[in-house]
Amino acid sequence: NAGVTQTPKFRVLKTGQSMTLLCAQDMNHEYMYWYRQDPGMGLRLIHYSVGEGTTAKGEVPDGYNVSRLKKQNFLLGLESAAPSQTSVYFCASRNPDTEAFFGQGTRLTVV
Amino acid sequence: AQSVTQLGSHVSVSEGALVLLRCNYSSSVPPYLFWYVQYPNQGLQLLLKYTSAATLVKGINGFEAEFKKSETSFHLTKPSAHMSDAAEYFCAVKIDTGRRALTFGSGTRLQVQP
Repeated sequence: NAGVTQTPKFRVLKTGQSMTLLCAQDMNHEYMYWYRQDPGMGLRLIHYSVGEGTTAKGEVPDGYNVSRLKKQNFLLGLESAAPSQTSVYFCASRNPDTEAFFGQGTRLTVV
Repeated sequence: AQSVTQLGSHVSVSEGALVLLRCNYSSSVPPYLFWYVQYPNQGLQLLLKYTSAATLVKGINGFEAEFKKSETSFHLTKPSAHMSDAAEYFCAVKIDTGRRALTFGSGTRLQVQP
């Protein structure tokens, strides 16, 4: 049982490049989330989804887009990366009556 | 609006000493409260959760937390620290309206000295 898997684990981007982070869960969870973690700021919610085909903005959505075409996958896109997007990104999933399960994180550096 | 405040970004204790990590929340409705632990280069793992049943909640690895409504607190404790407890700890709150997501505190890094 893999749980929540994030791909890739590490990435270095140049300013202006684009990329997509993939989150896959095998627990048939309804809700999925993307957070970013920065020193001294905890985890901040970027976007989330409460079901296949739905997405919504979190606290810090600017510069990111998401899609949930399949229930098990939640993609986070950066169209034009900026140094301010250097961070560790975490995906999480849960059902309404369960706690959140987290992936191992993606460490992104934008130079 | 809901928020979580963790007092102390770094806490250092000696092995065998009491661990106390502080968390205060603000919420206009009864909250669900959580403590998560993050070991280096790993994701977050649930330690324990409060969901309006017993106010004293026991979690994994000997940790427990007490919900105190009058103080709006949910402090995490462990009677005797172990070297393996060194990690970052996050308090989080979830309100069952609106966003349906967790709001996290800024985290407390626990160091355990031999």
